Amino acid sequence: QSALTQPASVSGSPGQSITISCTGTSSDIGSFNLVSWYQKHPGKAPKLIIYEVIKRPSGVSSRFSGSKSGNTASLTISGLQAEDEAEYYCCSFVTGSTFWVFGGGTKLTVL
Amino acid sequence: QVQLVQSGAEVKKPGSSLKVSCKASGGTFNRFSITWMRQAPGQVLEWMGRTIPVSGTTDYAQKFQGRVTIIADDSTGTAYMELSGLTSEDTAVYYCVTDFGGPKDYWGQGTLVTVSS
Repeated sequence: QSALTQPASVSGSPGQSITISCTGTSSDIGSFNLVSWYQKHPGKAPKLIIYEVIKRPSGVSSRFSGSKSGNTASLTISGLQAEDEAEYYCCSFVTGSTFWVFGGGTKLTVL
Repeated sequence: QVQLVQSGAEVKKPGSSLKVSCKASGGTFNRFSITWMRQAPGQVLEWMGRTIPVSGTTDYAQKFQGRVTIIADDSTGTAYMELSGLTSEDTAVYYCVTDFGGPKDYWGQGTLVTVSS
């Protein structure tokens, strides 16, 4: 099963908004509202920031939001802060016996 | 918030087996599923399999079928992932996760496994 496609890197200045895309297929993102986004700082475990496309776990800032259109999911971070600098991964449920597939990760740099 | 503590880094020989443990703070997984994931150097995260302790339901990714075993005891809050027939391609950081994809999705700190002769 191919991985989901994310841009390798994005950047933005403090206070700005950025969007990270995650492109899949009709077998994963296009068929299920089971897309999650994770934030990962170096040396730390991934942290869930969005689940089921648009939902935020308790304690996650409202600056993080998710959406989906067709086979592409997106993560938007508004009001960028220095601590948002991290790697971001998307994942989606997929038909078949792979169950879940991940994107390759996007490195966010806060300028 | 559940905290998951995994066993320490290991070096294994090709052909051997691996067993990684994952223990929940508070001594229970609170009836949530336990999923195991891994990330090899420079590679994408991979979903390996999951178990739901209260129902005994276990699913494995086809890629790992026949080589992986995941068990969990909700009464002790301890889960294990066993992987047999190790090769250099199994060199990775392995993670346990509760309630993967759900609102109580929490990850262990990761266990680095190096397979080398």
